[in-house]
Amino acid sequence: LAKTTQPISMDSYEGQEVNITCSHNNIATNDYITWYQQFPSQGPRFIIQGYKTKVTNEVASLFIPADRKSSTLSLPRVSLSDTAVYYCLLINLNTGFQKLVFGTGTRLLVSP
Amino acid sequence: DTEVTQTPKHLVMGMTNKKSLKCEQHMGHRAMYWYKQKAKKPPELMFVYSYEKLSINESVPSRFSPECPNSSLLNLHLHALQPEDSALYLCASSQEEQGQPQHFGDGTRLSIL
Repeated sequence: LAKTTQPISMDSYEGQEVNITCSHNNIATNDYITWYQQFPSQGPRFIIQGYKTKVTNEVASLFIPADRKSSTLSLPRVSLSDTAVYYCLLINLNTGFQKLVFGTGTRLLVSP
Repeated sequence: DTEVTQTPKHLVMGMTNKKSLKCEQHMGHRAMYWYKQKAKKPPELMFVYSYEKLSINESVPSRFSPECPNSSLLNLHLHALQPEDSALYLCASSQEEQGQPQHFGDGTRLSIL
């Protein structure tokens, strides 16, 4: 069973900031919070990963509160091409290869 | 373009056919994965190979037979599939070091007649 809970869908408009929340009440000490993006008819793409506080890269920011029971993926100024499904996963970094367990994901629709 | 190449992109086969899906990566990754994804559902892990040895089989029916001939290639042999096996089959690879993300191919869309 997936260990995360996300909204099933979200709608936004071009140029807006989008924040997608993920709930993971049973996160383990060794779990990292990881987000993947999937466009139709393509494989998932790694977006960002973090353990606590804030992580930022050229694509997104990830905000993690001190208790780590939730996280928020922030996409600044979205465009139509950001329409995709976004998956939040917990990954235990004690192992080499990762057994990814995808939840239902959040289907983001960006409109003009 | 992805760094994990899957062929063919589309495959239609009958229930009595034997076919193979192929996956190739040249990133030096030593872990490779097969996932199955039904329409509007998340990917589900099927198999994991680590250093060319099968490490995880998620109770996949024997009509799916994985093979890892070398560190760059991963095959999925198909035989006597059922219509419910129609799905997008995704291959992924990753480094063995902790925390390294998986790189996915764009999948083979399989239809069973």
